[in-house]
Amino acid sequence: NAGVTQTPKFQVLKTGQSMTLQCAQDMNHEYMSWYRQDPGMGLRLIHYSVGAGITDQGEVPNGYNVSRSTTEDFPLRLLSAAPSQTSVYFCASSYMPGGPRLFFGPGTRLTVL
Amino acid sequence: SQKIEQNSEALNIQEGKTATLTCNYTNYSPAYLQWYRQDPGRGPVFLLLIRENEKEKRKERLKVTFDTTLKQSLFHITASQPADSATYLCAYNTGNQFYFGTGTSLTVIP
Repeated sequence: NAGVTQTPKFQVLKTGQSMTLQCAQDMNHEYMSWYRQDPGMGLRLIHYSVGAGITDQGEVPNGYNVSRSTTEDFPLRLLSAAPSQTSVYFCASSYMPGGPRLFFGPGTRLTVL
Repeated sequence: SQKIEQNSEALNIQEGKTATLTCNYTNYSPAYLQWYRQDPGRGPVFLLLIRENEKEKRKERLKVTFDTTLKQSLFHITASQPADSATYLCAYNTGNQFYFGTGTSLTVIP
């Protein structure tokens, strides 16, 4: 099993550009989620999904969109990138909603100029 | 709002000693707490989970305690090794949302 995979590993955007961060898992996990990690702030939940077709907002959802058309994939879209979205983004999945443990991907480092 | 706090100061200890990391939470009583390890440039990796009715949990050189009265979890690494150097995160979830501490950076000095 590849576990949780994320692409790209690094990305540089200009303010106002859009892009999609990809996340996939091959463990048949129902629960998938996106976090951003900033110095001194820890991991903060952006959006999560408890199954195909079901998504919900986390702690910091503004500026991000998600969809879940399959169990395996959970892409994160930035519609109009802002410098405040410069961060490291992690995708995580779990056997079922509410955990109890998360499996994380390797992360995407995003810089918005 | 949910709050989970870890000592943001880095912890440096000598090889062979026991490292103790602290996690405090407020505004909520979680059913369980989790501990993760994160190496630079990598995603967090799950280490241990302790439930509210478990006072202590062990896994090899790792030990976690959970004090619901103090609203605190302690994470111990005994006989520490340089390979234990990493950032350690604690977390809990309320329903479908997980909350993480900022992590404590541990350096084990040979």
